[in-house]
Amino acid sequence: LAKTTQPISMDSYEGQEVNITCSHNNIATNDYITWYQQFPSQGPRFIIQGYKTKVTNEVASLFIPADRKSSTLSLPRVSLSDTAVYYCLVGERKSYNTDKLIFGTGTRLQVFP
Amino acid sequence: ETGVTQSPTHLIKTRGQQVTLRCSSQSGHNTVSWYQQALGQGPQFIFQYYREEENGRGNFPPRFSGLQFPNYSSELNVNALELDDSALYLCASTFQSAAQRDYEQYFGPGTRLTVT
Repeated sequence: LAKTTQPISMDSYEGQEVNITCSHNNIATNDYITWYQQFPSQGPRFIIQGYKTKVTNEVASLFIPADRKSSTLSLPRVSLSDTAVYYCLVGERKSYNTDKLIFGTGTRLQVFP
Repeated sequence: ETGVTQSPTHLIKTRGQQVTLRCSSQSGHNTVSWYQQALGQGPQFIFQYYREEENGRGNFPPRFSGLQFPNYSSELNVNALELDDSALYLCASTFQSAAQRDYEQYFGPGTRLTVT
């Protein structure tokens, strides 16, 4: 499984765009990139998943360059409620067995007023 | 909320004791995974159950065991508790079949276990 590296922490202010980059130099051909968000005393929550190029949903965008050795989670116009830990995960989506999720230590995002 | 519930929310045990944690999957989900999350760390995969059978295991000793019931609820059992077992225990459910998979996993709020 590909190891991921992300910043330990980031600070931002309300209304700003936040970009969190994750490095995964050893990503395999069949690996997907997934981001989860976790608030204190809660379980992680799926944000977005992608394989290449750009994926966008109502919460975030995920940018993946052609070499797929990194990815960037983009949160537009953050609010105080976006203060959380963000995890980047890389793993294979097997056809029959749900892949176990390998979490790193994540990026702790603090949003200030 | 995800629809995944866990009980109890908090638990204090003594070293050497045994503990059982419970998880109720989101409606329609047939797969449950358990994770251990130590303070300041990301969740670590313990094992997964699919159709009442263990379907993958992480790097945890045999004293961590589980069950999945016909209604897809699940239990995590830990024997001979050690101080390092103190953590937040999370369960996550999802749906899979030979024809399709839901790639998201839906986590419960966790059970905070303290071993003294």
